Amino acid sequence: EVQLVESGGGLIQPGGSLRLSCAASGFIVSTNYMSWVRQAPGQGLEWVSVIKSGGGTNYADSVRGRFTISRDTFKNTLSLQMDSLRAEDTAVYYCARVDYSNSFFDSWGQGTLVTVSS
Amino acid sequence: SSVLTQPPSVSVAPGKTATITCGGNNIGAKSVHWYQQKPGQAPVVVIYYDKDRPSGIPERFSGSNSGNTATLTINRVEAGDEADYYCQVWESSSDQYVFGSGTKVTVL
Repeated sequence: EVQLVESGGGLIQPGGSLRLSCAASGFIVSTNYMSWVRQAPGQGLEWVSVIKSGGGTNYADSVRGRFTISRDTFKNTLSLQMDSLRAEDTAVYYCARVDYSNSFFDSWGQGTLVTVSS
Repeated sequence: SSVLTQPPSVSVAPGKTATITCGGNNIGAKSVHWYQQKPGQAPVVVIYYDKDRPSGIPERFSGSNSGNTATLTINRVEAGDEADYYCQVWESSSDQYVFGSGTKVTVL
């Protein structure tokens, strides 16, 4: 059974850094495209970043240069390093697996809340 | 990147049909996927590649896509279908994933 469990969320001051992790089971992270998707309170879904099976990455314009996606092959985990955080980064962050055709998200974690506030 | 426009809300009586649209420039040329999200829960894909249903999703859910509009249809709506629904595409030009603005379906 595919399972994704996020951790690392919390309250952080503007300008600070936070690292999110996503522990995967039931499949191998490094052989799949993996993404982070976020949802601000009361708002819609926003794609954040993707890491491809070949290691390439891409980011939403709103986070490029501040966020870094990575994976740990041995631990079978996905991470998101978030620097220079802003109030508008406040959201629930979901880890999601991209399907075999790299087009949609077929499995999601339960999410972890990041609150950026002084 | 693409802008995907959805109606903010749709209200439907039990047993009737709910129709949720997702508008975008020439969206018919792209593959559209639909997610259901209930309060406090992660999204779940209900339709992928315009019209395919994952196992476990009732046949009452169907999708279509043509021209500038993709559509998610829920037949014989039940109280348990009350949720937010999002369309999504992969934008090849920017290699990014784009979500629609979301539609709240209320069962009267």
